[in-house]
Amino acid sequence: QSALTQPPSVSGSPGQSVTISCTGASSDVGNYNRVSWYQQPPGTAPKLMISEVSNRPSGVPDRFSGSKSGNTASLTISGLQAEDEADYYCSSYTSSSTLVFGGGTKLTVL
Amino acid sequence: QVQLVQSGAEVKKPGASVKVSCKASGYKFTGYTMHWVRQAPGQRLEWMGWIAGGDGNTKYSQKFQGRVTITRDTSASTAFMELSSLRSEDTAVYYCARDEYSGFHYWGQGTLVTVTS
Repeated sequence: QSALTQPPSVSGSPGQSVTISCTGASSDVGNYNRVSWYQQPPGTAPKLMISEVSNRPSGVPDRFSGSKSGNTASLTISGLQAEDEADYYCSSYTSSSTLVFGGGTKLTVL
Repeated sequence: QVQLVQSGAEVKKPGASVKVSCKASGYKFTGYTMHWVRQAPGQRLEWMGWIAGGDGNTKYSQKFQGRVTITRDTSASTAFMELSSLRSEDTAVYYCARDEYSGFHYWGQGTLVTVTS
């Protein structure tokens, strides 16, 4: 199972919005809503930011939102803050009952 | 509160095996599937496999099939991940994570496994 495709890096200034894409296939992202997004600052365990494509767990700011179209899921962060700087990973369940992560995207807040 | 506490860092020689534990507390252990994920230095998250909470069934990534074994001790609320035939490329932080269908809300603190001669 190949990794889901994410851009290696994105950047934005404080207050701006950025969107991170996550492209898979019909065997994973395209046919399952079990798509999640994780935030990982350096040296820490990942933190769940979005579950089931677009649900925000308790405590996650509403600046974070998720969506999906076809085989591509997206994470949008609006009103960027310095504390949002981290690596972001998408994941999806697959038709083989396995799970696959994306390659990761480094978000830089300018 | 839910906690996943992993065993400490390990240093292993190439060809050896390593077994990492993940002790769960704060919830019914058999009610949730446990996954193992690893991250090599500077690299992406990589899914390794899961063990079902109810019947203990397992599923592994094809990449690790034949080298990884995930088990559990329900009496101790502990999951284990054993990786054999270690090579330098297996140097990574290994995480356990609880599956809630909607994603991994809870993660262990990570266990660094270093493979070096």
